[in-house]
Amino acid sequence: SQKIEQNSEALNIQEGKTATLTCNYTNYSPAYLQWYRQDPGRGPVFLLLIRENEKEKRKERLKVTFDTTLKQSLFHITASQPADSATYLCALDSPYGNNRLAFGKGNQVVVIP
Amino acid sequence: KAGVTQTPRYLIKTRGQQVTLSCSPISGHRSVSWYQQTPGQGLQFLFEYFSETQRNKGNFPGRFSGRQFSNSRSEMNVSTLELGDSALYLCASYPGGGSTETQYFGPGTRLLVL
Repeated sequence: SQKIEQNSEALNIQEGKTATLTCNYTNYSPAYLQWYRQDPGRGPVFLLLIRENEKEKRKERLKVTFDTTLKQSLFHITASQPADSATYLCALDSPYGNNRLAFGKGNQVVVIP
Repeated sequence: KAGVTQTPRYLIKTRGQQVTLSCSPISGHRSVSWYQQTPGQGLQFLFEYFSETQRNKGNFPGRFSGRQFSNSRSEMNVSTLELGDSALYLCASYPGGGSTETQYFGPGTRLLVL
């Protein structure tokens, strides 16, 4: 069955450095992949969407890459700030139907001032 | 535009009871999806509604049901609550036209089953 893996260990990073998160998936070839940010007690907030035919997408200090051969997406936060501390979730379109997302469990980022 | 609203925000129930959660999507959005989030399983898809019709359903037992009204507001119901139903229930709305649309999540309803 489809599996989406994100690192369960929190990423602690010094302010100003680049945080890099990984999303690996198996047994599926998604048409697109999304990244969300979730703060404690809040719903996820959409950040970026990248399609299977796109290698890279940028938005301000965020960059996402999508390698369909490796079945992996990398999510980068450059010049990280304490306000970037949150859990980041990757989501793939599910093989079971339209508009249905399959989420990874998320990777927590802690930016240390 | 106002965001997605969910009520209530917090709920405590006991095993065997039933619960109804409500979601009001962003104005103009016709699709609503529901997700259950737990520390162990993460975010799991429950079901999706578009124009009052269930369009997709996840792998949850029949105790979980939902509906959508003509104004796009949606409710989900869980009957015969079990301890394992304790979770954050999130709804997400989007215009409803295509599969790559951004989903806008509400703040969630935190359900605790005792």
